[in-house]
Amino acid sequence: KQEVTQIPAALSVPEGENLVLNCSFTDSAIYNLQWFRQDPGKGLTSLLLIQSSQREQTSGRLNASLDKSSGRSTLYIAASQPGDSATYLCAVISSNTGKLIFGQGTTLQVKP
Amino acid sequence: EAEVAQSPRYKITEKSQAVAFWCDPISGHATLYWYRQILGQGPELLVQFQDESVVDDSQLPKDRFSAERLKGVDSTLKIQPAELGDSAMYLCASSPDRDRVYFGPGTRLTVT
Repeated sequence: KQEVTQIPAALSVPEGENLVLNCSFTDSAIYNLQWFRQDPGKGLTSLLLIQSSQREQTSGRLNASLDKSSGRSTLYIAASQPGDSATYLCAVISSNTGKLIFGQGTTLQVKP
Repeated sequence: EAEVAQSPRYKITEKSQAVAFWCDPISGHATLYWYRQILGQGPELLVQFQDESVVDDSQLPKDRFSAERLKGVDSTLKIQPAELGDSAMYLCASSPDRDRVYFGPGTRLTVT
């Protein structure tokens, strides 16, 4: 059974810092991995999608990497801003079941 | 840009009453998901449709929950009777096919 874990559960940093969020998954048989952002009381916004054959994807100040063999992904946020404060969730689509399975999320607070 | 639509956005109901949520996915998206998210946790898959067929409903409490997608387009999730523990955010999402997943704004359910 695929399990997705995110560490840390919460993170507080001063504005301007570069930071890394971690995601690990137990079954390497994945179709792709997505990183989402969720603001309080809102739905999820897709940030980055990495196909299983890819190593990384970049969008603006965000960079996501994927190491399928070790079951790990990282989301790197450069020059963090208070507007980046939100919960970040990673999710994988299992190659075997087609299910999209989420981690518990990392809640980020960027202080001005 | 096309979006996933959900209604209602908020619902307050009394215990033992029936409640229904509606979702309209992005046009052309064959895969439709219903997730439940309890505050502070990651989304949990309730049911996944491929066109009008159920692909996975292993986590759907079938004694009280039902979901349908009759024409392979929009979908309804019903709870009858509602229980206090059903209070959560209900999220609908759609995807072309194992590709980027797009989420709607969610329905916040409060059972009193």
